[in-house]
Amino acid sequence: AQSVAQPEDQVNVAEGNPLTVKCTYSVSGNPYLFWYVQYPNRGLQFLLKYITGDNLVKGSYGFEAEFNKSQTSFHLKKPSALVSDSALYFCAVRVNTGGFKTIFGAGTRLFVKA
Amino acid sequence: DTGVSQNPRHKITKRGQNVTFRCDPISEHNRLYWYRQTLGQGPEFLTYFQNEAQLEKSRLLSDRFSAERPKGSFSTLEIQRTEQGDSAMYLCASSLGDPPDTQYFGPGTRLTVL
Repeated sequence: AQSVAQPEDQVNVAEGNPLTVKCTYSVSGNPYLFWYVQYPNRGLQFLLKYITGDNLVKGSYGFEAEFNKSQTSFHLKKPSALVSDSALYFCAVRVNTGGFKTIFGAGTRLFVKA
Repeated sequence: DTGVSQNPRHKITKRGQNVTFRCDPISEHNRLYWYRQTLGQGPEFLTYFQNEAQLEKSRLLSDRFSAERPKGSFSTLEIQRTEQGDSAMYLCASSLGDPPDTQYFGPGTRLTVL
């Protein structure tokens, strides 16, 4: 079955420290992978995507993600966390089901402490 | 604001009533998606349109749910005979449709069924 897993419900990090939010996936074929962020009472905002090419993808607000095909992972990273990065982060993968749909992980809540 | 808009933002209804939500996508986007999101979960795919054609529906979408996109622009999602289990955030997203099909989300409609 095609799926996305975010193994951590919550990640806590101190401001200024690097952060990593983990994501693994299971799809057939080559995946299109995405990260979205959701602030309270808001819709999801697109952060970055992986299509093909360089394994390190750069996105909005200083975030980047590393695609690892052998480990089927797409971890979100940021070198120096800000308190304002505190939010809910979703990993997603586009799957081919005859049509096309996107499957989202359950989300990881990031807390950045000042 | 040229983003995806959804109305109403909040809807409180009594069990058994019908409700209708509207989504206005980004104007040049030909794909439109509906998702349902419950607390602590990622968005769950409900259905999507390519222009006015509804191409895929999730098995989550019972017969009480219907969606339309009559002119390939805005879309409506109707829930008939609402149940308490329908309480959720209903998200709409739109995309250009070309790979990787990056979706842009509206703020959502929060439905509470009493």
